Amino acid sequence: GAVVSQHPSRVICKSGTSVKIECRSLDFQATTMFWYRQFPKQSLMLMATSNEGSKATYEQGVEKDKFLINHASLTLSTLTVTSAHPEDSSFYICSARTTSGSLYEQYFGPGTRLTVT
Amino acid sequence: AQTVTQSQPEMSVQEAETVTLSCTYDTSESDYYLFWYKQPPSRQMILVIRQEAYKQQNATENRFSVNFQKAAKSFSLKISDSQLGDAAMYFCAYSGLVRDYKLSFGAGTTVTVRA
Repeated sequence: GAVVSQHPSRVICKSGTSVKIECRSLDFQATTMFWYRQFPKQSLMLMATSNEGSKATYEQGVEKDKFLINHASLTLSTLTVTSAHPEDSSFYICSARTTSGSLYEQYFGPGTRLTVT
Repeated sequence: AQTVTQSQPEMSVQEAETVTLSCTYDTSESDYYLFWYKQPPSRQMILVIRQEAYKQQNATENRFSVNFQKAAKSFSLKISDSQLGDAAMYFCAYSGLVRDYKLSFGAGTTVTVRA
């Protein structure tokens, strides 16, 4: 149980275009989902926290107009990188927290590798 | 924000031997959770072990155990009988009871297992 999927696993886009990454909790409902960014051999950096039905809360230094997050249902959150540039190339990971049980535990998706050319 | 420090960028261990990864954290909260996550080359984050701060007993999961020293704000991970599959990056993480249970991660320790 507690499986989180991400789609796509890899995406290549051209500079200036937008790309959407989906994060789904497959077998549980997630009140809260988190989006992280990870550079090679570095730690996970929290970008934003999204709660179903409300606006996402962004961490300091993260451009909310560039990284649009929507948490439309208890099983789906999306991250849209708008007007992508090569410096946005990174590994993006989502995680989800359940509505019941171990409230403190986060379940991680497999990640999405974004390459902007 | 809580700070999590992993002072060992890399650790190497011989297969079947034991390795200990260190982690310290800074917090003013009295109750919180601590985690060790493993990230293998696939980059899927895998929960290795967790510790509730209110529990004095150290958590153990098979070959993985922790040494939780609350007063010292220390949370080390011991991997016993190391296996080739243990090779990965290991992250120590902290979660308070507020702020949506956000995780604060350490910088990570890369573990290499020698055959």
